[in-house]
Amino acid sequence: GENVEQHPSTLSVQEGDSAVIKCTYSDSASNYFPWYKQELGKRPQLIIDIRSNVGEKKDQRIAVTLNKTAKHFSLHITETQPEDSAVYFCAALSYGQNFVFGPGTRLSVLP
Amino acid sequence: DAGVTQSPTHLIKTRGQHVTLRCSPISGHKSVSWYQQVLGQGPQFIFQYYEKEERGRGNFPDRFSARQFPNYSSELNVNALLLGDSALYLCASSLGLGGPETQYFGPGTRLLVL
Repeated sequence: GENVEQHPSTLSVQEGDSAVIKCTYSDSASNYFPWYKQELGKRPQLIIDIRSNVGEKKDQRIAVTLNKTAKHFSLHITETQPEDSAVYFCAALSYGQNFVFGPGTRLSVLP
Repeated sequence: DAGVTQSPTHLIKTRGQHVTLRCSPISGHKSVSWYQQVLGQGPQFIFQYYEKEERGRGNFPDRFSARQFPNYSSELNVNALLLGDSALYLCASSLGLGGPETQYFGPGTRLLVL
């Protein structure tokens, strides 16, 4: 079955700097890759997603890139702000299967 | 426009007891999935239901069961509770059209087993 790894487990950046979180997956049939942000005590919230027919997607300060050959995808947050501090989860899904989540990255944006 | 709702928000049980968790999906969504999130980890898939049929099952023991009702709401049942069942139980809904779909999470039920 699918296995998703995520690095780093914790990340601290200065406010205004960029943050990058990387995930790798094992099932080459996976074709949908969402990213969720979870603040303490709250539900995971979808922040961006990408499908396997696209290499990059941007939404304001957030971007996701996908390398199907290498089976990895990354989340990029530019101009980080204190409210970006949270745990970020990547996930992978293939048709007929179910979501497999990474273990999460705790991002801290330092003022 | 209501999102996914879950009840109860918190629950305390003792070992060996049974628990029922409830979920109402976003209006128009026909698929519901259940996840277990242990503190410090990512959500682990338990079940997915679509049109009252089980569409997928994760690697959880038979103590875990679920069902979906005609109005697309769902229940997750856990029997013979163990200390290790303490976790946040998340429900997620999606349209259920088939193929890769965005899942939207509810606020979760935090279960503590003593």
